[in-house]
Amino acid sequence: DVKVTQSSRYLVKRTGEKVFLECVQDMDHENMFWYRQDPGLGLRLIYFSYDVKMKEKGDIPEGYSVSREKKERFSLILESASTNQTSMYLCASSFTVQNTGELFFGEGSRLTVL
Amino acid sequence: DQQVKQNSPSLSVQEGRISILNCDYTNSMFDYFLWYKKYPAEGPTFLISISSIKDKNEDGRFTVFLNKSAKHLSLHIVPSQPGDSAVYFCAASVSTSGTYKYIFGTGTRLKVLA
Repeated sequence: DVKVTQSSRYLVKRTGEKVFLECVQDMDHENMFWYRQDPGLGLRLIYFSYDVKMKEKGDIPEGYSVSREKKERFSLILESASTNQTSMYLCASSFTVQNTGELFFGEGSRLTVL
Repeated sequence: DQQVKQNSPSLSVQEGRISILNCDYTNSMFDYFLWYKKYPAEGPTFLISISSIKDKNEDGRFTVFLNKSAKHLSLHIVPSQPGDSAVYFCAASVSTSGTYKYIFGTGTRLKVLA
């Protein structure tokens, strides 16, 4: 069974804290993505990576950074969390040569910043 | 600049009837269109996709129609079942940086009434 695993389902952090969200996939996918989901705004792409150590900005990268040291792991980093980063964060992965769909998502990490 | 739009935030349908979810897009470079379904506290799951060179794709109770001239696609669910109640996201893939990224709409919450 294919699997994308996000390390934390629920987190509560304070303003200014550094936050790490971890994502691991077991499908040997080249591509990995971080989205955030907010009511009325849908899923918005933060960053994506198409290879180890490669990263590309998505539509809303401000306030975030990412790390991809190994193919199976893609981390989202909030250097200094702010209340407007309270959201549901979704990690996903896919094969490079296939754009027919099949973005596989993790279960999500709900982050609350106080 | 919302490239993929779902103008109906919610839809209610009687069990057994047809559900029609709509999606509009602006970028003519999109090459695949996808529908995802999301239950609360879970990651989105892939439902059905369609290539930009086709106008219809069917999978069981789900059919997606694409009208390229109108830059419009729709998802038909027949017959609708209470278990179909979820948020449905329309998405489109576009080639970038040697790979593909996926742009999502804002979602439509479908409620199927028993």
